[in-house]
Amino acid sequence: DSGVTQTPKHLITATGQRVTLRCSPRSGDLSVYWYQQSLDQGLQFLIQYYNGEERAKGNILERFSAQQFPDLHSELNLSSLELGDSALYFCASSALTGANTGELFFGEGSRLTVL
Amino acid sequence: AQSVTQLGSHVSVSEGALVLLRCNYSSSVPPYLFWYVQYPNQGLQLLLKYTTGATLVKGINGFEAEFKKSETSFHLTKPSAHMSDAAEYFCAVSHGAGGYNKLIFGAGTRLAVHP
Repeated sequence: DSGVTQTPKHLITATGQRVTLRCSPRSGDLSVYWYQQSLDQGLQFLIQYYNGEERAKGNILERFSAQQFPDLHSELNLSSLELGDSALYFCASSALTGANTGELFFGEGSRLTVL
Repeated sequence: AQSVTQLGSHVSVSEGALVLLRCNYSSSVPPYLFWYVQYPNQGLQLLLKYTTGATLVKGINGFEAEFKKSETSFHLTKPSAHMSDAAEYFCAVSHGAGGYNKLIFGAGTRLAVHP
């Protein structure tokens, strides 16, 4: 158990809909990362938040957005869903201490299926 | 820009045989290197990491990897494969610690172990 919690584990929805994926980082971790894993694109970095602020942006579509709340949990919002958005979405967190060596701790993912 | 190339999307070995999974990276600054493993329907789990110091690093489950700067490689090995090693393995690079830096992943190598 990595200590990172993601909900829901599975989600099936229709094209054009909007969904929200939730992530609770490990206790004390200030950084949250979102990744998308699909068969054709592999593991793609989407976005990083640190203590409530956006820190880095990757290949995130404009239809997608994220935020990190004061209690440090994060949500990834996916809107106007398309078939190609079907994927496994991972959240990861990391510590921000002198002992940190860049390791990310991953949740078990949220599997999104768009029909 | 950083990137990771994993040679061979599928590797198959016999139980008890040597496991060798190849990873080459590109980075303009001294890299931090990681190997993660993903079992079916699970998140990513850290196997081992290289940050600084000794170039041969040992990880969990008998895996080890050697950082070779001159070859820009970080290949993963295990002397004797076990059936339970069947999984997908990801090499990743980041260029620092402190929780600021995202990991860039390779495309992954699926390891099959047969009796």
